[in-house]
Amino acid sequence: DAKTTQPNSMESNEEEPVHLPCNHSTISGTDYIHWYRQLPSQGPEYVIHGLTSNVNNRMASLAIAEDRKSSTLILHRATLRDAAVYYCILRALGETSGSRLTFGEGTQLTVNP
Amino acid sequence: ETGVTQTPRHLVMGMTNKKSLKCEQHLGHNAMYWYKQSAKKPLELMFVYSLEERVENNSVPSRFSPECPNSSHLFLHLHTLQPEDSALYLCASSQGLYYEQYFGPGTRLTVT
Repeated sequence: DAKTTQPNSMESNEEEPVHLPCNHSTISGTDYIHWYRQLPSQGPEYVIHGLTSNVNNRMASLAIAEDRKSSTLILHRATLRDAAVYYCILRALGETSGSRLTFGEGTQLTVNP
Repeated sequence: ETGVTQTPRHLVMGMTNKKSLKCEQHLGHNAMYWYKQSAKKPLELMFVYSLEERVENNSVPSRFSPECPNSSHLFLHLHTLQPEDSALYLCASSQGLYYEQYFGPGTRLTVT
């Protein structure tokens, strides 16, 4: 499975934008970039995913580099509720391995009031 | 509320006990999953079911036995566990194998 690299931790202030980076230099052409997050004492929660183009939804935006070797999850206005561990995951959809989510260590986001 | 419920939320069991974890999804999904999350380790996929058939078993010890009687329910039967099996056990479901997964809140298991 292609590997992702994320910073262990990041800090942000409430109501400011947050940019969470993810490096995936060995990404293959069939890998989709997925983001999940895990709030304290809860199961993981799907955030967003994309292949090549930037994506937006009600929770966040995903900016994908032109060479697809990195991506950035953008929270436009962080709230205290956004404090969580954020996971960047590659999934080769359409291949057997794509049926699984392979979680790494993720980035622990702290949001300061 | 994700539409995936797990019971019990907390379980303490001895090494000789037999217990079962239950997961139920109210989303009409066709795939269900068991994950294990140990302290300071990433989530590990244990089992995958699609249309009630097991499609993946990630080298999980036989003391963990999954059961999927229908597309809405998933069980994890536990017997003769070890203290190192203490962890958060998470259930998830998805519309199909390649769709986003919805997780339950987990069962916190302690083996004494």
